[in-house]
Amino acid sequence: AQTVTQSQPEMSVQEAETVTLSCTYDTSESDYYLFWYKQPPSRQMILVIRQEAYKQQNATENRFSVNFQKAAKSFSLKISDSQLGDAAMYFCASVSNSGYALNFGKGTSLLVTP
Amino acid sequence: DGGITQSPKYLFRKEGQNVTLSCEQNLNHDAMYWYRQDPGQGLRLIYYSQIVNDFQKGDIAEGYSVSREKKESFPLTVTSAQKNPTAFYLCASSWGRGEKLFFGSGTQLSVL
Repeated sequence: AQTVTQSQPEMSVQEAETVTLSCTYDTSESDYYLFWYKQPPSRQMILVIRQEAYKQQNATENRFSVNFQKAAKSFSLKISDSQLGDAAMYFCASVSNSGYALNFGKGTSLLVTP
Repeated sequence: DGGITQSPKYLFRKEGQNVTLSCEQNLNHDAMYWYRQDPGQGLRLIYYSQIVNDFQKGDIAEGYSVSREKKESFPLTVTSAQKNPTAFYLCASSWGRGEKLFFGSGTQLSVL
């Protein structure tokens, strides 16, 4: 089974600044996928970014990018030029190539201050 | 407009009562899932279904039951055996292995 650990229960960033959310995972699989989901106060889960483990290139989506360190089993999310609308819970998740259901971390609550 | 519809948005359960949460998708996805979210606990898997008429237990299946008679529908029943049912329940679907999940808007279940 895969486990996902998010060691930062809460983080804070000022508007327009950059913040990095940490995530580590544990897996014995060689092929797997990693995700970051955002959950704003509406509680709707929104996919932020997806990374395929076999790809060395870090995934990016506009202001969101990841630092994927396969050997260290680390998958951090960097948010650049933070906006008030980025305030949310952020969940890191993983799934093996042979699996279906994502395994989620406990989340990091991101506060964005003006 | 494709998506996942969960109903109701809020649900109250009396002691000893079974309640059923609805989840319908029109994305033509094969796989569907139920997760439970408690404050500070992240999302925990209750059940998932890879295909019609087949489903698998997740990490916290005790006190819950599901059915998958149609591709579009995956209802979750919270039985009276579930002693602590108060939580936010999220339904999701996906194309298959390793794919991203599409989520519904959730059902908040509370005990009266």
